[in-house]
Amino acid sequence: AQSVTQLDSQVPVFEEAPVELRCNYSSSVSVYLFWYVQYPNQGLQLLLKYLSGSTLVKGINGFEAEFNKSQTSFHLRKPSVHISDTAEYFCAVISNTNAGKSTFGDGTTLTVKP
Amino acid sequence: EPEVTQTPSHQVTQMGQEVILRCVPISNHLYFYWYRQILGQKVEFLVSFYNNEISEKSEIFDDQFSVERPDGSNFTLKIRSTKLEDSAMYFCASSGLGYNEQFFGPGTRLTVL
Repeated sequence: AQSVTQLDSQVPVFEEAPVELRCNYSSSVSVYLFWYVQYPNQGLQLLLKYLSGSTLVKGINGFEAEFNKSQTSFHLRKPSVHISDTAEYFCAVISNTNAGKSTFGDGTTLTVKP
Repeated sequence: EPEVTQTPSHQVTQMGQEVILRCVPISNHLYFYWYRQILGQKVEFLVSFYNNEISEKSEIFDDQFSVERPDGSNFTLKIRSTKLEDSAMYFCASSGLGYNEQFFGPGTRLTVL
């Protein structure tokens, strides 16, 4: 079985400050990792993904994440946030078994204050 | 760029009624999924579908739920007799060979009164 733990349910931060949203996963097999952003009353937008190769992946809107296999983590970072980054962020994993279903974390609410 | 589409965007129904949520996956994809997100909660897996049969289903996906691919393009989720607790956003997703990435549709918000 696979699982995802997002370590912070809420992260308040001031505009232009850096931010890190933490994600740990558990799986007995190789995984693919994803971060999604969800704005109020909207769908899921893919921010970035790790499938293979370089462990540092860059995504849209200036976000990046680093896959750390030894620590089973995939933390999301942005060096300088904007008000418009206020949203819910979900970490998700797909293992290469289980018909590829996605397992999501509980989400982290990022609130950017002026 | 190809995308997954879902209709309707919002469905309101009375408790006990049947609803069918529709999805058009990306055309060359082989694996299809339904997920549910109750308001304020995380996204939960319901069912996966491959080669015209269910590959896996969660404990949420009980006898009230069914899925079908009635033609070469649509993928539907039917809830036979809706309950208040079925109110949620329902996301369809599809993936190609290797199922290493899923493409999500915009969701259908189901409200059961």
